[in-house]
Amino acid sequence: SSELTQDPAVSVALGQTVRITCLGDSLRRFYASWYQQKPGQAPRLVLYGNSNRPSGIPDRFSGSTSGNTASLTITETQAEDEADYYCNSRDSSGLHLIFGGGTKLNVL
Amino acid sequence: EVQLMESGGGLVQPGGSLRLSCAISGFTFSNHDMNWVRQAPGRGPEWVAYIDRSGNTMYYADSVKRRFTISKDYAENSLYLHMNSLRAEDTGIYYCARVPSGSGWYPFDYWGQGIPVTVSS
Repeated sequence: SSELTQDPAVSVALGQTVRITCLGDSLRRFYASWYQQKPGQAPRLVLYGNSNRPSGIPDRFSGSTSGNTASLTITETQAEDEADYYCNSRDSSGLHLIFGGGTKLNVL
Repeated sequence: EVQLMESGGGLVQPGGSLRLSCAISGFTFSNHDMNWVRQAPGRGPEWVAYIDRSGNTMYYADSVKRRFTISKDYAENSLYLHMNSLRAEDTGIYYCARVPSGSGWYPFDYWGQGIPVTVSS
């Protein structure tokens, strides 16, 4: 498969924990990166190498991978975390980069 | 401070050409692979093209292969995307994006602010 599949939308109550998933056969071979995008802004890297955080990203953001599924977990979710989240990896051939369709995170 | 600034976008007719530029500052250009990523209105990002830090290896998405060319100019500290035979489906915001040193093809740790390209008659 050359796709990464994400749930279109997920909701979480303020202060609670939410997990956003990304499914794809290529994730068995290649690591996932995760990006946060707010309206009118460029995407922002929040996780790479499945579970590494760039500097400046709070430790409320964590990642993991199991089999064909990569996950982004946000604990103690804040209102500012409301955004679209995209996973990114290689496709199964390894010759192209692909993005998931995105998950809109609603913070209630 | 790392900065990437795109320019050169705009409105172009189908079949036309554009050259996008990305001026970089705040880091050593020769230490980083670079990419172009685009985003159609209301859609997620789509990877377009990659160039390694030496400028010798380039990869393209199937949707732009043989129409787009990625290049870099070390003297100008600039990344370019030459776009030919443009189609309506090429419309979107185009971002240049940096790869962390030594990471290979991805992830993209710094992005420009994006430049809009509209292909329409």
